[in-house]
Amino acid sequence: DVKVTQSSRYLVKRTGEKVFLECVQDMDHENMFWYRQDPGLGLRLIYFSYDVKMKEKGDIPEGYSVSREKKERFSLILESASTNQTSMYLCASSLTGLAGEGAKNIQYFGAGTRLSVL
Amino acid sequence: GNSVTQMEGPVTLSEEAFLTINCTYTATGYPSLFWYVQYPGEGLQLLLKATKADDKGSNKGFEATYRKETTSFHLEKGSVQVSDSAVYFCALRNQGGKLIFGQGTELSVKP
Repeated sequence: DVKVTQSSRYLVKRTGEKVFLECVQDMDHENMFWYRQDPGLGLRLIYFSYDVKMKEKGDIPEGYSVSREKKERFSLILESASTNQTSMYLCASSLTGLAGEGAKNIQYFGAGTRLSVL
Repeated sequence: GNSVTQMEGPVTLSEEAFLTINCTYTATGYPSLFWYVQYPGEGLQLLLKATKADDKGSNKGFEATYRKETTSFHLEKGSVQVSDSAVYFCALRNQGGKLIFGQGTELSVKP
């Protein structure tokens, strides 16, 4: 079974703090993704990575950065947390590249990290 | 641009009722379509998918048919169970390979 593990289920941080959200996958997947989930808005892509040290902006990258130093780990960084970043954050991974069909680019999700910024 | 619109929730049904969750999309080209399910306290799981027009995806008693003429991918189940209570997300994969999600529909099934 594919396993995507997010290090924390719940986090409470203060405005201005630097926040790290960690995600690890154990299936040697090439692609990893960070989304945020908000009521009424569904999931929105923040950043994704298609290889070690490679990253691409998603739809809402402002206020976030990412790091992928090892294939299995993809970190989301909030440089200076703000209250509007209170949300559920979901990490996902897929085996191969974005294009093409088939099971190889199905995204598998972690359980999520619910972040509250006070 | 690409977008996905789902019916608003929450949807509350009695056990063994028929379920329909509507999903329509706007996209260029021929996207692949997906339904994901999120059970309480968990991440999203792929429920079913369809990659071309008239394809029917099915899993765990759920079905959805890719209707190009109506740009729809409605989710159906003939007889829901309490264990089906979850949030359901419709999504498309655009030509660039990204997933575009609808806003999610919460389903609550009462015994």
